[in-house]
Amino acid sequence: RKEVEQDPGPFNVPEGATVAFNCTYSNSASQSFFWYRQDCRKEPKLLMSVYSSGNEDGRFTAQLNRASQYISLLIRDSKLSDSATYLCVVNTYTGGFKTIFGAGTRLFVKA
Amino acid sequence: IAGITQAPTSQILAAGRRMTLRCTQDMRHNAMYWYRQDLGLGLRLIHYSNTAGTTGKGEVPDGYSVSRANTDDFPLTLASAVPSQTSVYFCASSAEEGTEAFFGQGTRLTVV
Repeated sequence: RKEVEQDPGPFNVPEGATVAFNCTYSNSASQSFFWYRQDCRKEPKLLMSVYSSGNEDGRFTAQLNRASQYISLLIRDSKLSDSATYLCVVNTYTGGFKTIFGAGTRLFVKA
Repeated sequence: IAGITQAPTSQILAAGRRMTLRCTQDMRHNAMYWYRQDLGLGLRLIHYSNTAGTTGKGEVPDGYSVSRANTDDFPLTLASAVPSQTSVYFCASSAEEGTEAFFGQGTRLTVV
């Protein structure tokens, strides 16, 4: 089993749709979590951190479920510009931080 | 310079040649990283440095070496390139290990 797993998609949704991605992780001691966005042939960029209480930034909501060991990203009112690959990132402290990136979930938003 | 810069942006390299990918950041971040990204495999850590003067091995370090002589620079060297090292290489930095990482624009390397 991979340490961090994501559904690769692709997710094809119309503009205005709500779409949700999940990311599971295997190490229950993992401590910090992020969602990154990566556009085609570009570098990953931080979308948002994921806090235990859940957090929201405009149309984006991130949640953490420690009991089931997954994080989620919800995008409301999808825009064409949301089309990208979304990477989840899990940090685990084991004497030093180990950062694992998921392989990413591809999203296509269509007019 | 603003942020983190990599050079070159792309390179075609003959197998067996030595190559150094450059990475410079101006954010005074302590931690720096080198990743490779291959289709279907996501980002894999090659080497990292938590602070100037120290380096460590990541998930796929074989065939690569790094140095961290100062805070700003973190070059990645391929001593003798092989075709399996064809990939997109990203350098990243973060204020401290485990915090938000900022990425360079990437280097597309093709080894033929």
